[in-house]
Amino acid sequence: AQTVTQSQPEMSVQEAETVTLSCTYDTSESDYYLFWYKQPPSRQMILVIRQEAYKQQNATENRFSVNFQKAAKSFSLKISDSQLGDAAMYFCAGGGSNYKLTFGKGTLLTVNP
Amino acid sequence: GAGVSQTPSNKVTEKGKYVELRCDPISGHTALYWYRQSLGQGPEFLIYFQGTGAADDSGLPNDRFFAVRPEGSVSTLKIQRTERGDSAMYLCASSLSWKETQYFGPGTRLLVL
Repeated sequence: AQTVTQSQPEMSVQEAETVTLSCTYDTSESDYYLFWYKQPPSRQMILVIRQEAYKQQNATENRFSVNFQKAAKSFSLKISDSQLGDAAMYFCAGGGSNYKLTFGKGTLLTVNP
Repeated sequence: GAGVSQTPSNKVTEKGKYVELRCDPISGHTALYWYRQSLGQGPEFLIYFQGTGAADDSGLPNDRFFAVRPEGSVSTLKIQRTERGDSAMYLCASSLSWKETQYFGPGTRLLVL
């Protein structure tokens, strides 16, 4: 079974600056994968980034990158050059052999102009 | 192509009534998932379909909840004798297969009065 913990209920960032959202997880599986999803006020859950546990290289998608620390079971999301459209609830999630995704409680990101 | 769609967007019903929530997955996706998201929480797994069969329904809270996917495409989540505690956002997701990335629909917000 997996557990996912997001310890920051809220974060704020100035437009154009960088912010890092934290996530820790626990799993007994060796083959698993991790995600960051974004849920704007419009409520559609949108995939931000995916990381396979077997890959040592950190995943990146344009302004979004992760810092995957497997030994520490840490999976943080870095957003560079923050934009107003990045404002949303961000969820960290994990999946493994049981295909279900386990989500954290989310971090509400505010972007200040 | 078109994403996951869900209808209705919002549903208001009275305690004790029966409701059906529909999910239309991305074309070609064999795996389909239902999650429930309470206010201020991350989504929680309800049920997973691989093709037409429910491969795992361990997340359904009780026997008032039932889901079908008769032709391996559209799925319907059915809730009998609704209770106020059933009020939540119901999210549907689909993926190419069980280990692939899950893509979410916009959700159905259910309110039981």
